Amino acid sequence: QLQLQESGSGLVKPSQTLSLTCAVSGGSISSGGYSWSWIRQPPGKGLEWIGYIYHSGSTYYNPSLKSRVTISVDRSKNQFSLKLSSVTAADTAVYYCARNAYCSGGSCYLHAFDIWGQGTMVTVSS
Amino acid sequence: QSALTQPRSVSGSPGQSVTISCTGTSSDVGGYNYVSWYQQHPGKAPKLMIYDVSKRPSGVPDRFSGSKSGNTASLTISGLQAEDEADYYCCSYAGSPYVFGTGTKVTVL
Repeated sequence: QLQLQESGSGLVKPSQTLSLTCAVSGGSISSGGYSWSWIRQPPGKGLEWIGYIYHSGSTYYNPSLKSRVTISVDRSKNQFSLKLSSVTAADTAVYYCARNAYCSGGSCYLHAFDIWGQGTMVTVSS
Repeated sequence: QSALTQPRSVSGSPGQSVTISCTGTSSDVGGYNYVSWYQQHPGKAPKLMIYDVSKRPSGVPDRFSGSKSGNTASLTISGLQAEDEADYYCCSYAGSPYVFGTGTKVTVL
């Protein structure tokens, strides 16, 4: 059973860089040909897709965050990471990692998010 | 990329049906058959309920159904149950980026 677990700093000062890691267990980050995404949710608000990465390392970011976002993968540790620079209070949110696919019966459908981490709250405050 | 538009809230009595709309543009909802729907209970991670507009993942009750017409997708919950009370979000592929809807709170009266 594939599981995802976010970890990282829960409190970041304004203008600094937010760093989070998503550990993948129960399967390989390199299998399946699908990507892995970061998604966030400010308190009391809706979901916002941040970006995704393939195990090959190719990435795509939300255009509204592109200048501040870096997503990387560490295949040896079976994990992927998020860095968001120059944070402000508007970046305060629960950050989720998710598999960018729905897989069943040996087939994968690529444009859905079927497995999510539990989420980690990140607060930007001095 | 603007968020897809959903009604803020919908409600229904147990056993009734409710439908949630999700309106986008020809660049997202209207351009691809890649709309998905998520259920989120308070303090929990979202759960995939519908993918590729109308397909149900294994384990999702068949009272959840999805459809699309033009730039608007819809999620229908038939035979509403107490446990269906939650927030629901649509999401569309938009040619590499993904865009989520504004979210709808479903209340079971």
